[in-house]
Amino acid sequence: TQLLEQSPQFLSIQEGENLTVYCNSSSVFSSLQWYRQEPGEGPVLLVTVVTGGEVKKLKRLTFQFGDARKDSSLHITAAQPGDTGLYLCAGARGSNYKLTFGKGTLLTVNP
Amino acid sequence: NAGVTQTPKFRVLKTGQSMTLLCAQDMNHEYMYWYRQDPGMGLRLIHYSVGEGTTAKGEVPDGYNVSRLKKQNFLLGLESAAPSQTSVYFCATRLAGVDYEQYFGPGTRLTVT
Repeated sequence: TQLLEQSPQFLSIQEGENLTVYCNSSSVFSSLQWYRQEPGEGPVLLVTVVTGGEVKKLKRLTFQFGDARKDSSLHITAAQPGDTGLYLCAGARGSNYKLTFGKGTLLTVNP
Repeated sequence: NAGVTQTPKFRVLKTGQSMTLLCAQDMNHEYMYWYRQDPGMGLRLIHYSVGEGTTAKGEVPDGYNVSRLKKQNFLLGLESAAPSQTSVYFCATRLAGVDYEQYFGPGTRLTVT
């Protein structure tokens, strides 16, 4: 059973387009993180959201945590080739020792 | 600061052989984790440690053992490698407390033939 479902699994767009990726669950999380992973490297944290309804912005990236803390979205405005990578959401529950990762969204931004 | 380093970067094993993957960190983080990443499966937690001398099982621990004799090192062992253990292995570290980010190493690509 996959606790965190990410969609879409793959996304290929042109430079300048906007996009949204989703991270959904039937479970409540105490916090949720988004990571980006480039080929041949480990994931790197983009943001942590902890409050239901919270919205955080990181330049052209906007992250939202659902009111019920069961889902999250990542919106990218005017995508650039440098945004290409695997986007992973990860949720913390209970003791917070561990994260549960979604399977990721592989984004390709074509010049 | 090197951050999180993993040794080796690549390895090819024959079925039944054993090996140890080393994760080293210089950030003085309490928590350390071993994940495997397979196509279409995301990151799955193998084992983790919340402090020196302590380890615990994650989501997919079978066929692996770990040790954390020193705070800065976390070792992942495969006693008898199987083709199903072909994967990319990532180590991660984190400060104790809630909501801190995990810092990942560059990964080890392991192929078992």
